[in-house]
This record gives sequence, C-alpha cells and structure tokens, in this order.
Amino acid sequence: GQSLEQPSEVTAVEGAIVQINCTYQTSGFYGLSWYQQHDGGAPTFLSYNALDGLEETGRFSSFLSRSDSYGYLLLQELQMKDSASYFCAVRDRAAGNKLTFGGGTRVLVKP
Amino acid sequence: DVKVTQSSRYLVKRTGEKVFLECVQDMDHENMFWYRQDPGLGLRLIYFSYDVKMKEKGDIPEGYSVSREKKERFSLILESASTNQTSMYLCASSFFPPGTRTYEQYFGPGTRLTVT
Repeated sequence: GQSLEQPSEVTAVEGAIVQINCTYQTSGFYGLSWYQQHDGGAPTFLSYNALDGLEETGRFSSFLSRSDSYGYLLLQELQMKDSASYFCAVRDRAAGNKLTFGGGTRVLVKP
Repeated sequence: DVKVTQSSRYLVKRTGEKVFLECVQDMDHENMFWYRQDPGLGLRLIYFSYDVKMKEKGDIPEGYSVSREKKERFSLILESASTNQTSMYLCASSFFPPGTRTYEQYFGPGTRLTVT
C-alpha cells in the first residue's frame, strides 16, 4: 500500500515563507501532487511533480526527490488568503489513475 | 473551465436509509472518483471508474456501491446508511492531457452527509 506523512499544522505571518514536507512510501511511483483546500471549499490542484527537481508557479513551488521519497511545497510571500489546508498525494504505478492523499497540513497565516 | 457538480451540498438521512449521491462532470473525462473526507484523515478513496460501466474499489469500499451508466455521471450509493458514514463526500474527475507530464483531478464542491 501507500502511506504519506505531512505535518498537521503550520503557523506563519504574512510575507513569510513556509515549507510543507511530505514523505511517502509506495510500491511504484508515478508522481507527487499538491492540492489546496480552503474551509468549506473543494480541493484545487496546485502542482504535480513526476521528475526530480523544483517546479515554480508564481509564489508556490514544489520539489521532488524520488530517491529520498520526499517532496515539499514552498509557499512564499505568504498572504492571508493562503490560510488553507494543503494535501500531498501520490500517484503510483500499481494504482493507475488513483491518488493516495496525506492527512493534510493546515496553514494559518497571521497578520 | 472544467465543472464537476454534485447533487446536494447538505444531506440529512436516517440510519438504514438508501442514499444516492450524484456527480456530473462536463469535460468528457474518462476517470471519476468518490472520496470521503474526515478531519485528520485526508481524502480516502471509496471507488473509482475509468470508463462507463467500469468500477474499481478504492481503499474503503465497504458499505458503498457505485454506478456509472453514462460517461459524465458517477453515482455513489449507500445501501443502508449508518452513523459512521457521516462525512464530507467529494467527487472528482480526471484525464491525461496528451503530450504533458501532468496529472490533475478536478473536484466537485462536496456533499456533507449527516446520518442520524
């Protein structure tokens, strides 16, 4: 089976940088995804890493190291609207199109 | 824009009732999924479907069944609702954009089901 570990909660101030780590165990790895979910809202896609390295999309970046079974989501120049839960999810070969999600990291941004 | 809609935002049912949750997507996606979300547990996959009339069990299929008679519609059925099925239910769809290395699931707004 698959399992993912990520911190349950992170608090930071506006303008700061937050890194959310995700470690995973899976039998055959395809890629690592990140989703954002505001309270009461649906999860929305942020990024997908299939290859090692850093991918940047505006203020958010996602990193993957397949050899370490590890990835992170980097949130820069934090804004109040970034207060949300962030989920990492693994897509693996044995599971085809399925994603297995971590428990989520709640990010609280303070003024 | 991709749109995934779910039949109800809030639903209250009694123990033992048969419950139908409907999900419709408008982008001709092959794959559709049903998850339940509970605090601290993330999203857990109940069932998914990669084609019409095809279904696969996810991680927690017990107590649920699904139906996919048309490509755009994926229904989740609780045969006999129980209180431990009180949860947020999320539907999603996905496809593989040709020539890309990305993979994205598109989620509906969710149905908060309470079983009393």
